[in-house]
Amino acid sequence: GNSVTQMEGPVTLSEEAFLTINCTYTATGYPSLFWYVQYPGEGLQLLLKATKADDKGSNKGFEATYRKETTSFHLEKGSVQVSDSAVYFCALSGARPRSNYQLIWGAGTKLIIKP
Amino acid sequence: DAGVTQSPTHLIKTRGQQVTLRCSPKSGHDTVSWYQQALGQGPQFIFQYYEEEERQRGNFPDRFSGHQFPNYSSELNVNALLLGDSALYLCASSLLGRGYNEQFFGPGTRLTVL
Repeated sequence: GNSVTQMEGPVTLSEEAFLTINCTYTATGYPSLFWYVQYPGEGLQLLLKATKADDKGSNKGFEATYRKETTSFHLEKGSVQVSDSAVYFCALSGARPRSNYQLIWGAGTKLIIKP
Repeated sequence: DAGVTQSPTHLIKTRGQQVTLRCSPKSGHDTVSWYQQALGQGPQFIFQYYEEEERQRGNFPDRFSGHQFPNYSSELNVNALLLGDSALYLCASSLLGRGYNEQFFGPGTRLTVL
């Protein structure tokens, strides 16, 4: 079945450091891939998405490229800020018209940025 | 444009009781999904509703049931509550006709079962 594996956290970085959070997936067909972010005490916010191979999603300085050959969707940011401290979730969803509408989630990676 | 709203924000129940959680989707969306998120874990899919019918269901017992109304809002009902049902319950809405499953989440309802 479909699954998502994320690097374990917490990941602790200093402000302005380079960030990579690894995400790999197992899926049949051509899933869509997502990164969501959850700030303390809040719900989930869509950070970026990619719907086909080689697509690059980007938002708020974060980027991730859909790599079908390595089944990966790693999240990167060139210079993190304290305000980026949150839990980051990688997720996938089966492409329609296949009837796999649910989001499959990784376990989440907690990111801590120190000033 | 109002996003996804959920009520109540917090809820405390005792074992064996029943609870109803409510969700209003983002304007223009027709599909509602429910997820359970235990502390420190990723969300787990409960079920999804479209056109007032359950389209897909995750690995949850029949104690978990739902409903979607003609205005696309939805309810999640949990019967015979167990301590293990304590979690953040998230509602997400989406538009079925879109080619990919982009879901927008509400702030969640924090359920504590004592």
